[in-house]
Amino acid sequence: AAGVIQSPRHLIKEKRETATLKCYPIPRHDTVYWYQQGPGQDPQFLISFYEKMQSDKGSIPDRFSAQQFSDYHSELNMSSLELGDSALYFCASSLRQGWDEKLFFGSGTQLSVL
Amino acid sequence: SQKIEQNSEALNIQEGKTATLTCNYTNYSPAYLQWYRQDPGRGPVFLLLIRENEKEKRKERLKVTFDTTLKQSLFHITASQPADSATYLCALESGYALNFGKGTSLLVTP
Repeated sequence: AAGVIQSPRHLIKEKRETATLKCYPIPRHDTVYWYQQGPGQDPQFLISFYEKMQSDKGSIPDRFSAQQFSDYHSELNMSSLELGDSALYFCASSLRQGWDEKLFFGSGTQLSVL
Repeated sequence: SQKIEQNSEALNIQEGKTATLTCNYTNYSPAYLQWYRQDPGRGPVFLLLIRENEKEKRKERLKVTFDTTLKQSLFHITASQPADSATYLCALESGYALNFGKGTSLLVTP
């Protein structure tokens, strides 16, 4: 069965650079979520999209933006990177219309900011 | 503010025993509660969902209880195996987002 695909798997950036993370949800899923997880921390909700429209916003810094495209893939854009942005970034998808509340997570993108 | 609290200390148990993990929450009125498993460097994997009108739910060796009066969920793994060693996360809805607790690390030793 198809899963949530994230790319790249690892990303190394310098301070003040920009990064773009990509997420391809499970086919026919209508909702995409982005989470940030620091070492030893719980996944922190950043932002979600339902049918390509922003649905909920969590603790996403103003330096970050995200969007969902017509093919339902999503991108998280991160600018002016800081050392504290180093974390594992997860994308998840779900089928909200089907009243199926469980989330399916990708393998994540490990971002290291040097 | 909303809080989801799980045992921060790792739980070490012997193979074959029952592991019990606790999730307490404040300032949520959840219609359901979810449990996920997370292995190091991997994304969380959904295990069970229990709704507010359900007291208990089972799936193979897993059992979840949900007490909305106590604002608590208990997660049990019976006949635990070393392969059950992982971090277990409790999650609650907030709007259309899902908020997670910090998780409890479980180590099952042979």
